[in-house]
Amino acid sequence: DIQLTQSPSFLSASVGDRVTITCRASQGISTYLAWYQQKPGKAPKLLIHGASTLQSGVPSRFSGSGSGTEFTLTISSLQPEDCATYYCQQLDSYPPGNFGPGTKVDIK
Amino acid sequence: EVQLVESGGGLVQPGGSLRLSCAASRIIVSSNYMNWVRQAPGKGLEWVSVIYPGGSTFYADSVKGRFTISRDNSKNTLYLQMNSLRAEDTAVYYCAREVYHYMDVWGKGTTVTVSS
Repeated sequence: DIQLTQSPSFLSASVGDRVTITCRASQGISTYLAWYQQKPGKAPKLLIHGASTLQSGVPSRFSGSGSGTEFTLTISSLQPEDCATYYCQQLDSYPPGNFGPGTKVDIK
Repeated sequence: EVQLVESGGGLVQPGGSLRLSCAASRIIVSSNYMNWVRQAPGKGLEWVSVIYPGGSTFYADSVKGRFTISRDNSKNTLYLQMNSLRAEDTAVYYCAREVYHYMDVWGKGTTVTVSS
């Protein structure tokens, strides 16, 4: 199975900061990578699919890039409502559609 | 509105069984790749199972042989039959639709607690 790692596991930044989260796959997955945002007590919400395509309705401050084994999720200007845990998921070698371990984002 | 609504969670003793349901609105369950994903308390997301439009089913190693995914086309509902439950199966269970290599619609989840 393809394994995903995320870094950092936790980050704290100020409102307006540029924030970057990295997801690495144990083998190449082309661009079959999605990013989800999850707030406490809520279901995950799709942000990005195909590594870089913004899901409809998601603010443009979110962006994704990468292919193969290394991917990034960037929040260009962190907002208070972006406090959440962010997960990557690969659906190249699927099933299983493994998730990364998550990155918790907090506001300083 | 496109919607998935899970139900059927609850408290069950180790070794017991439970059947989860996921009722779909404006999604045709039989025409989509439908998944179950779970999240143990304080932990990350874990993919559990998928059923393909053609009926093929797949499971995570952690639940293989104990869980069964199915659907009722007439009720437009997805199911997860969970047998031989263990404490480590305690989690919130979400159903989710997969399209083109991503999961775009998720339910709100149903909580399963396995404890004596």
